[in-house]
Amino acid sequence: QLQLQESGPGLVKPSETLSLTCIVSGGSISGSNAYWNWIRQSPGKGLEWVGTIRTSGNTYYSTYYKPSLQSRVTISIDTSKNEISLELTSGTAADTAVYYCGRGGGIAVSDTWGQGILVTVSS
Amino acid sequence: DIVLTQSPGTLSLSPGERATLSCRASQYISNNFLSWYLQRPGQPPRLLIYTTSYRASGIPDRFSGSGSGTDFTLTISRLEPEDFAVYYCQQYVDGTSPTFGQGTKVEIK
Repeated sequence: QLQLQESGPGLVKPSETLSLTCIVSGGSISGSNAYWNWIRQSPGKGLEWVGTIRTSGNTYYSTYYKPSLQSRVTISIDTSKNEISLELTSGTAADTAVYYCGRGGGIAVSDTWGQGILVTVSS
Repeated sequence: DIVLTQSPGTLSLSPGERATLSCRASQYISNNFLSWYLQRPGQPPRLLIYTTSYRASGIPDRFSGSGSGTDFTLTISRLEPEDFAVYYCQQYVDGTSPTFGQGTKVEIK
């Protein structure tokens, strides 16, 4: 059974980079045809799509980012570790949220989710 | 961005009752790429419905989705205790950014 687990620092200083990893177990990213999504949720608020990386076979990846975050966000895959990474540069308090990784059959559509990780941007 | 407006904001019902949740889009949703999620406190969202009316794996048939264009509905035929939670709709239209509605809370009356 596919399982996802987010990891990374829970506290990031303003202007620094938020770096998270989604550890995938019970299945291989490599060779899969899937959309791997990052979604965030600010405390007490609703859900916000951050970005998606699509895998198709072993070598074809494409990325999609929320336009307002595009200049700051990068999503990548490390097949050797079976992990998906999210980097968000120049962090601000507005980036404070629970970050979820998910896998599904479409952009932002996830049928498998990690438990989420709270990241606070504060000095 | 396409704005999704969910109504009502809060729905107060008793177990066994029928729940009808609405999601209205500010623009036409092509290909009916509209999904519904349930979220309980402290848990990640759980996919219920995708492409308007297809139930995700393991979702009981008391959950159903319908709609087209700009108006979509999630219906829960008979509320079970575990169904009291927050529900979100989410859209994807090619060439736009995916967005979520603000949520409808289904609470015990």
